[in-house]
Amino acid sequence: NAGVTQTPKFRVLKTGQSMTLLCAQDMNHEYMYWYRQDPGMGLRLIHYSVGEGTTAKGEVPDGYNVSRLKKQNFLLGLESAAPSQTSVYFCASSYGGQGELFFGEGSRLTVL
Amino acid sequence: EDQVTQSPEALRLQEGESSSLNCSYTVSGLRGLFWYRQDPGKGPEFLFTLYSAGEEKEKERLKATLTKKESFLHITAPKPEDSATYLCAVRRDNYGQNFVFGPGTRLSVLP
Repeated sequence: NAGVTQTPKFRVLKTGQSMTLLCAQDMNHEYMYWYRQDPGMGLRLIHYSVGEGTTAKGEVPDGYNVSRLKKQNFLLGLESAAPSQTSVYFCASSYGGQGELFFGEGSRLTVL
Repeated sequence: EDQVTQSPEALRLQEGESSSLNCSYTVSGLRGLFWYRQDPGKGPEFLFTLYSAGEEKEKERLKATLTKKESFLHITAPKPEDSATYLCAVRRDNYGQNFVFGPGTRLSVLP
């Protein structure tokens, strides 16, 4: 049972390049989330989804887009990467809206 | 503004030396306080949820408690394998996506 899987684990981009982070969960969870984690700060919510075909903005959505075409997958896109987007990105899922979050292992992104 | 703070930022203990980590919050409409453990290079792993003042939860050497303004994570006789960053998070409503995370306390337990 893999839980929440994120790919890629590491990526280096140049300013202006685009990329997509993929999150896959095998727990049949309805809710999925993308967070970013920066030194000295708590995890901050970028976007989330409460079900297949739905997405919503979180606390820091600017510069990111997401899609949830299949229940088990949640994609995070950067259309034109900026150095301020250098961070560790975590995907999480939960069963309904009241349970704990299950996190992936993270994707470390560096934008030069 | 809703806020979660954690103290200390970092803590070094000798093996067997008990201590407590603090999570203070100013959140309207608390719908649960969560503790997570995060190992280097890994994602956070769920430990406890507390819902009301006075509630306590235990797991091995860890015990979490909750008051109206803060939560404590007590670590009794810690071992080196307890070394990790401990994150506190509060949920603000019942819709599920509205978590506020603290910055974490980095715990090191020396043998």
